[in-house]
Amino acid sequence: ETGVTQTPRHLVMGMTNKKSLKCEQHLGHNAMYWYKQSAKKPLELMFVYNFKEQTENNSVPSRFSPECPNSSHLFLHLHTLQPEDSALYLCASSQERVRGGYNEQFFGPGTRLTVL
Amino acid sequence: AQSVTQLDSQVPVFEEAPVELRCNYSSSVSVYLFWYVQYPNQGLQLLLKYLSGSTLVKGINGFEAEFNKSQTSFHLRKPSVHISDTAEYFCAVGPLGRLYFGRGTQLTVWP
Repeated sequence: ETGVTQTPRHLVMGMTNKKSLKCEQHLGHNAMYWYKQSAKKPLELMFVYNFKEQTENNSVPSRFSPECPNSSHLFLHLHTLQPEDSALYLCASSQERVRGGYNEQFFGPGTRLTVL
Repeated sequence: AQSVTQLDSQVPVFEEAPVELRCNYSSSVSVYLFWYVQYPNQGLQLLLKYLSGSTLVKGINGFEAEFNKSQTSFHLRKPSVHISDTAEYFCAVGPLGRLYFGRGTQLTVWP
Protein backbone atom coordinates (compact mmCIF):
# COMPACT_ATOMS: atom_id res chain seq x y z
CA GLU A 1 0.00 0.00 0.00
CA THR A 2 1.23 3.48 -0.77
CA GLY A 3 0.07 6.97 0.07
CA VAL A 4 -3.06 7.37 2.15
CA THR A 5 -5.64 4.61 2.29
CA GLN A 6 -9.15 4.71 3.70
CA THR A 7 -11.58 1.95 4.56
CA PRO A 8 -14.34 1.34 3.92
CA ARG A 9 -14.82 3.18 0.65
CA HIS A 10 -18.60 3.14 1.05
CA LEU A 11 -20.71 2.89 4.18
CA VAL A 12 -24.44 2.92 4.72
CA MET A 13 -25.65 3.14 8.29
CA GLY A 14 -28.78 3.81 10.26
CA MET A 15 -29.05 6.61 12.74
CA THR A 16 -28.71 4.26 15.70
CA ASN A 17 -25.67 2.38 14.40
CA LYS A 18 -22.09 2.71 15.57
CA LYS A 19 -19.37 2.48 12.94
CA SER A 20 -15.76 3.56 12.43
CA LEU A 21 -13.84 4.95 9.51
CA LYS A 22 -10.18 4.06 9.21
CA CYS A 23 -7.32 5.96 7.62
CA GLU A 24 -3.73 4.83 7.24
CA GLN A 25 -0.82 6.77 5.82
CA HIS A 26 2.32 5.10 4.49
CA LEU A 27 4.29 8.33 3.99
CA GLY A 28 6.00 8.70 7.35
CA HIS A 29 4.08 11.89 8.08
CA ASN A 30 3.42 13.26 11.56
CA ALA A 31 0.11 15.06 11.02
CA MET A 32 -3.27 13.70 10.00
CA TYR A 33 -6.60 15.34 9.21
CA TRP A 34 -10.28 14.53 8.81
CA TYR A 35 -12.30 16.57 6.31
CA LYS A 36 -15.99 16.46 5.46
CA GLN A 37 -17.02 17.09 1.87
CA SER A 38 -20.70 17.76 1.36
CA ALA A 39 -22.35 18.62 -1.91
CA LYS A 40 -22.16 22.33 -2.81
CA LYS A 41 -20.10 23.19 0.27
CA PRO A 42 -16.38 23.84 0.78
CA LEU A 43 -14.29 21.14 2.35
CA GLU A 44 -14.73 21.38 6.08
CA LEU A 45 -11.77 20.61 8.27
CA MET A 46 -13.00 18.54 11.20
CA PHE A 47 -9.97 17.44 13.19
CA VAL A 48 -6.20 17.81 13.11
CA TYR A 49 -3.69 15.58 14.84
CA ASN A 50 -0.02 16.52 15.16
CA PHE A 51 2.30 13.91 16.63
CA LYS A 52 -0.81 11.96 17.75
CA GLU A 53 -2.18 14.91 19.71
CA GLN A 54 -5.40 16.58 18.66
CA THR A 55 -4.60 20.19 17.86
CA GLU A 56 -7.81 21.28 16.22
CA ASN A 57 -11.49 20.49 16.57
CA ASN A 58 -13.65 22.73 14.45
CA SER A 59 -16.81 22.62 16.54
CA VAL A 60 -17.59 19.13 15.37
CA PRO A 61 -20.60 17.48 17.07
CA SER A 62 -19.74 14.89 19.67
CA ARG A 63 -21.37 12.14 17.59
CA PHE A 64 -18.05 12.22 15.68
CA SER A 65 -15.18 10.96 17.81
CA PRO A 66 -11.64 10.84 16.40
CA GLU A 67 -8.86 8.57 17.57
CA CYS A 68 -5.19 8.64 16.62
CA PRO A 69 -3.36 5.70 18.23
CA ASN A 70 -0.12 6.40 16.36
CA SER A 71 1.14 8.73 13.66
CA SER A 72 0.17 6.32 10.89
CA HIS A 73 -3.43 5.59 11.82
CA LEU A 74 -6.48 7.75 12.27
CA PHE A 75 -10.01 6.67 13.06
CA LEU A 76 -13.33 8.44 13.06
CA HIS A 77 -15.89 6.77 15.31
CA LEU A 78 -19.49 7.45 14.41
CA HIS A 79 -22.60 7.06 16.54
CA THR A 80 -26.19 8.29 16.39
CA LEU A 81 -25.56 10.18 13.18
CA GLN A 82 -28.12 12.27 11.34
CA PRO A 83 -29.02 12.14 7.64
CA GLU A 84 -27.30 15.51 7.13
CA ASP A 85 -24.04 13.81 8.11
CA SER A 86 -24.11 11.96 4.79
CA ALA A 87 -21.01 13.09 2.92
CA LEU A 88 -17.60 12.10 1.64
CA TYR A 89 -15.13 11.92 4.51
CA LEU A 90 -11.56 12.54 3.47
CA CYS A 91 -8.44 11.79 5.40
CA ALA A 92 -5.15 13.57 4.71
CA SER A 93 -1.64 13.57 6.08
CA SER A 94 1.32 15.93 5.95
CA GLN A 95 4.76 16.45 7.40
CA GLU A 96 4.62 19.30 9.87
CA ARG A 97 7.83 21.19 10.39
CA VAL A 98 8.78 22.46 13.82
CA ARG A 99 9.64 25.86 12.37
CA GLY A 100 6.51 26.08 10.27
CA GLY A 101 6.34 26.35 6.53
CA TYR A 102 4.05 24.82 4.02
CA ASN A 103 2.53 21.46 4.55
CA GLU A 104 1.55 19.64 1.40
CA GLN A 105 -1.37 17.48 2.33
CA PHE A 106 -1.81 14.10 0.72
CA PHE A 107 -5.38 12.86 0.57
CA GLY A 108 -6.94 9.45 0.67
CA PRO A 109 -9.78 8.43 -1.67
CA GLY A 110 -12.44 9.07 0.95
CA THR A 111 -15.30 7.14 2.50
CA ARG A 112 -18.73 7.83 1.03
CA LEU A 113 -21.08 7.77 4.03
CA THR A 114 -24.85 7.53 3.73
CA VAL A 115 -26.97 7.86 6.86
CA LEU A 116 -30.49 6.55 6.53
CA ALA B 1 -8.49 35.54 8.63
CA GLN B 2 -8.01 33.48 5.51
CA SER B 3 -10.59 32.63 2.86
CA VAL B 4 -10.78 31.48 -0.73
CA THR B 5 -13.34 32.38 -3.37
CA GLN B 6 -13.67 30.36 -6.54
CA LEU B 7 -15.69 32.56 -8.81
CA ASP B 8 -17.17 29.87 -11.05
CA SER B 9 -18.92 26.79 -9.75
CA GLN B 10 -19.06 25.21 -13.21
CA VAL B 11 -16.95 25.72 -16.32
CA PRO B 12 -17.96 23.87 -19.50
CA VAL B 13 -15.46 23.91 -22.33
CA PHE B 14 -14.84 22.04 -25.56
CA GLU B 15 -11.86 19.76 -26.00
CA GLU B 16 -8.64 21.51 -27.11
CA ALA B 17 -9.94 24.91 -26.02
CA PRO B 18 -8.08 26.96 -23.40
CA VAL B 19 -9.49 27.25 -19.91
CA GLU B 20 -9.04 29.50 -16.89
CA LEU B 21 -10.39 28.67 -13.44
CA ARG B 22 -10.47 31.70 -11.19
CA CYS B 23 -9.44 31.89 -7.56
CA ASN B 24 -9.22 34.86 -5.23
CA TYR B 25 -7.99 34.71 -1.69
CA SER B 26 -7.79 36.87 1.36
CA SER B 27 -5.16 36.51 4.00
CA SER B 28 -3.65 38.64 6.69
CA VAL B 29 -0.34 36.78 6.58
CA SER B 30 2.04 35.47 3.95
CA VAL B 31 0.40 32.69 2.07
CA TYR B 32 1.05 29.49 0.32
CA LEU B 33 -1.37 28.75 -2.50
CA PHE B 34 -2.47 25.43 -3.93
CA TRP B 35 -4.65 23.93 -6.61
CA TYR B 36 -5.99 20.43 -6.07
CA VAL B 37 -7.95 18.25 -8.50
CA GLN B 38 -10.54 15.64 -7.59
CA TYR B 39 -11.57 13.04 -10.14
CA PRO B 40 -14.85 11.18 -9.60
CA ASN B 41 -14.78 8.83 -6.62
CA GLN B 42 -11.24 9.83 -5.71
CA GLY B 43 -9.50 11.98 -3.16
CA LEU B 44 -7.77 15.27 -3.85
CA GLN B 45 -4.52 15.34 -5.79
CA LEU B 46 -2.11 18.28 -5.76
CA LEU B 47 -1.85 19.98 -9.16
CA LEU B 48 0.56 22.76 -8.25
CA LYS B 49 1.64 25.07 -5.47
CA TYR B 50 3.02 28.53 -4.95
CA LEU B 51 5.36 28.98 -2.01
CA SER B 52 7.63 31.84 -3.09
CA GLY B 53 9.73 33.02 -6.01
CA SER B 54 8.45 33.06 -9.57
CA THR B 55 4.81 34.04 -9.76
CA LEU B 56 4.16 31.64 -12.63
CA VAL B 57 3.90 28.12 -11.36
CA LYS B 58 3.77 25.04 -13.53
CA GLY B 59 2.09 21.87 -12.38
CA ILE B 60 1.17 18.43 -13.58
CA ASN B 61 -0.93 17.62 -16.64
CA GLY B 62 -0.02 20.87 -18.40
CA PHE B 63 -1.65 23.19 -15.89
CA GLU B 64 -0.11 26.42 -14.69
CA ALA B 65 -1.17 29.20 -12.34
CA GLU B 66 -0.10 32.77 -11.79
CA PHE B 67 0.14 34.38 -8.38
CA ASN B 68 -0.93 38.03 -8.46
CA LYS B 69 -0.38 39.64 -5.10
CA SER B 70 -1.95 43.00 -5.97
CA GLN B 71 -5.15 41.32 -7.15
CA THR B 72 -4.95 38.56 -4.52
CA SER B 73 -5.57 36.01 -7.23
CA PHE B 74 -4.20 32.61 -8.19
CA HIS B 75 -5.94 31.64 -11.41
CA LEU B 76 -5.40 28.22 -12.97
CA ARG B 77 -4.91 27.90 -16.72
CA LYS B 78 -4.41 25.29 -19.37
CA PRO B 79 -3.91 26.19 -23.04
CA SER B 80 -5.62 23.10 -24.43
CA VAL B 81 -7.85 20.81 -22.38
CA HIS B 82 -8.60 17.14 -22.83
CA ILE B 83 -11.68 15.16 -21.93
CA SER B 84 -9.64 13.52 -19.18
CA ASP B 85 -9.35 16.93 -17.46
CA THR B 86 -13.01 16.70 -16.50
CA ALA B 87 -12.93 16.92 -12.71
CA GLU B 88 -13.50 19.24 -9.79
CA TYR B 89 -10.76 21.72 -9.02
CA PHE B 90 -10.13 23.25 -5.62
CA CYS B 91 -8.08 26.30 -4.77
CA ALA B 92 -6.62 26.44 -1.27
CA VAL B 93 -4.61 28.88 0.80
CA GLY B 94 -2.38 27.58 3.53
CA PRO B 95 -0.61 29.79 5.98
CA LEU B 96 1.58 27.74 8.22
CA GLY B 97 0.03 24.36 8.58
CA ARG B 98 -3.64 24.90 7.85
CA LEU B 99 -5.45 24.72 4.51
CA TYR B 100 -8.57 26.75 3.65
CA PHE B 101 -10.39 25.51 0.56
CA GLY B 102 -12.70 27.17 -1.91
CA ARG B 103 -16.02 25.61 -2.88
CA GLY B 104 -14.56 24.06 -6.00
CA THR B 105 -15.06 24.49 -9.74
CA GLN B 106 -16.44 21.65 -11.82
CA LEU B 107 -14.62 21.59 -15.15
CA THR B 108 -16.45 19.64 -17.83
CA VAL B 109 -14.72 19.09 -21.14
CA TRP B 110 -16.99 18.22 -24.07
CA PRO B 111 -15.84 16.46 -27.24
